Amino acid sequence: AQRVTQPEKLLSVFKGAPVELKCNYSYSGSPELFWYVQYSRQRLQLLLRHISRESIKGFTADLNKGETSFHLKKPFAQEEDSAMYYCALRDRGSTLGRLYFGRGTQLTVWP
Amino acid sequence: DVKVTQSSRYLVKRTGEKVFLECVQDMDHENMFWYRQDPGLGLRLIYFSYDVKMKEKGDIPEGYSVSREKKERFSLILESASTNQTSMYLCASSLGTGGSGELFFGEGSRLTVL
Repeated sequence: AQRVTQPEKLLSVFKGAPVELKCNYSYSGSPELFWYVQYSRQRLQLLLRHISRESIKGFTADLNKGETSFHLKKPFAQEEDSAMYYCALRDRGSTLGRLYFGRGTQLTVWP
Repeated sequence: DVKVTQSSRYLVKRTGEKVFLECVQDMDHENMFWYRQDPGLGLRLIYFSYDVKMKEKGDIPEGYSVSREKKERFSLILESASTNQTSMYLCASSLGTGGSGELFFGEGSRLTVL
């Protein structure tokens, strides 16, 4: 069974502070991890995926297989980062493409 | 740009009514999905389809059915709406074999069942 856990339902930081959104997973196969973001009144969209190993909007996430984690980090949060963030997992060997989502973390960045 | 369009942004229905939610994608994607989004519960998969006329149950299929007669269109049907089906419904699509796995989402359909 696949499971994605985001332990924080709400997270608040001040502008300029570092932010880390936690994501842990349990999966017996070869997982592919993603972060999706939903800004207010916008559609859900991909932020980044672990395979790309890229930084998007200053965010990075490293897959830690030992700790089964894929935490999302940004060194200096901005007000426009306020959004709902979802961690998601996919079986890399699957062509069906279904993602398993965590329950989401609502990030608020105060001015 | 991939476009996933959900025909109804807001619907209000009465208990027992039959409800159709329509979703159309314009990028020839094989996979299509219906999720339900509720505060504190995240996104839960209702049904998905990996080909025309093919469907698979997700995690919460009870009370729902789907139809995929054409590749670009995936419909979610509530045969007899109930108040506990009040929610935001998200449609998504993705490429099949060889794809990156990225899901492209519609804007959502907010359903209220009275």
